[in-house]
Amino acid sequence: RKEVEQDPGPFNVPEGATVAFNCTYSNSASQSFFWYRQDCRKEPKLLMSVYSSGNEDGRFTAQLNRASQYISLLIRDSKLSDSATYLCVVNQAGTALIFGKGTTLSVSS
Amino acid sequence: NAGVTQTPKFQVLKTGQSMTLQCAQDMNHNSMYWYRQDPGMGLRLIYYSASEGTTDKGEVPNGYNVSRLNKREFSLRLESAAPSQTSVYFCASSDDPSTDTQYFGPGTRLTVL
Repeated sequence: RKEVEQDPGPFNVPEGATVAFNCTYSNSASQSFFWYRQDCRKEPKLLMSVYSSGNEDGRFTAQLNRASQYISLLIRDSKLSDSATYLCVVNQAGTALIFGKGTTLSVSS
Repeated sequence: NAGVTQTPKFQVLKTGQSMTLQCAQDMNHNSMYWYRQDPGMGLRLIYYSASEGTTDKGEVPNGYNVSRLNKREFSLRLESAAPSQTSVYFCASSDDPSTDTQYFGPGTRLTVL
């Protein structure tokens, strides 16, 4: 079983749509969780950290379910500029982060 | 504030040639990392340095060596390049490897012929 698994997509949605990405992780001892965004041929950048209580940043909502070892990202009112690859990231044994392979989102007008 | 910088941006090597990828950060971070990213494989950790003076292997260290020259700089060396090392290489840094955001450089696109 891979350590961090994501549906690769692509997710093709119209502007204004709501889209949700899911991620599962295998190490129950993982402590920190993140969503990163990567634009084509660019470096990954932090989108948001994921907290146990769930957290929201504008149109983006992240949730964590430790019992199910599951992380989600919800994007409301999608914009063209949201088109990118979204990486689910989990810490590993306090020394390094483990990256999922990413979910590709394409928002069209 | 430049963040994380990497040189070169692009490089083409012949099989067997050597080269060093340079990385520097100006955020006074303790930890630095080298990743490679291949299509369909995601980001894979090559080596990391949790603090100045220490380095450790990541998931895919074979064929690479690293040097943490000082707190700012972390270099990646390919002693004898192979076509399997064709990839995009990213350097990153963070203050706390467990909880803190990793900041990435713009990447080096390496092709080995």
